[in-house]
Amino acid sequence: SQTIHQWPATLVQPVGSPLSLECTVEGTSNPNLYWYRQAAGRGLQLLFYSVGIGQISSEVPQNLSASRPQDRQFILSSKKLLLSDSGFYLCAWSGSSGYNEQFFGPGTRLTVL
Amino acid sequence: AQSVTQPDIHITVSEGASLELRCNYSYGATPYLFWYVQSPGQGLQLLLKYFSGDTLVQGIKGFEAEFKRSQSSFNLRKPSVHWSDAAEYFCAGRDYGGSQGNLIFGKGTKLSVKP
Repeated sequence: SQTIHQWPATLVQPVGSPLSLECTVEGTSNPNLYWYRQAAGRGLQLLFYSVGIGQISSEVPQNLSASRPQDRQFILSSKKLLLSDSGFYLCAWSGSSGYNEQFFGPGTRLTVL
Repeated sequence: AQSVTQPDIHITVSEGASLELRCNYSYGATPYLFWYVQSPGQGLQLLLKYFSGDTLVQGIKGFEAEFKRSQSSFNLRKPSVHWSDAAEYFCAGRDYGGSQGNLIFGKGTKLSVKP
């Protein structure tokens, strides 16, 4: 069966520090991968998605970037965090056909102080 | 533009009572629709999905949803709510304007259950 992992689970970082969040998927190959942010009291905002290694699409211009160095690895990064980057970050995967549901990881709670 | 709307931000029901959470969508084509549940501090779990065929779909944890094209709705129902159902519920639909696989999410409905 497929599983999706995210780490760390919780992170507290000072403003201006770098960020690296990692997401890995097991039990499937060539998945579509997604990064979402969920701010307090708000819905899900799609940040990035990837349909293959090295292929990243950005949905919202911002302080963050994403990379996909391996088929089942998706990384969210920032060079300098802002207070507004605080939130709950969710990684998800779906089958590559585009007609499938998305499956979510457990999330990372990021607090920028 | 496509949209998924959940009109209710917060709903409170008594344990054992029936539940209906509303979801409306705007699509020109046949939509692919989903319901997810999120417990506090957790990721989203898929409850059920509608792609085509029977408009009444069954999901996990005793939930069901009915697709009504005439009303542009995909409401989630449960005949008897348990305290463990307290969570936030998200309706989502496939984004036909975006890349393959992308979903558009509603803003969520938070469900509280009274003992």
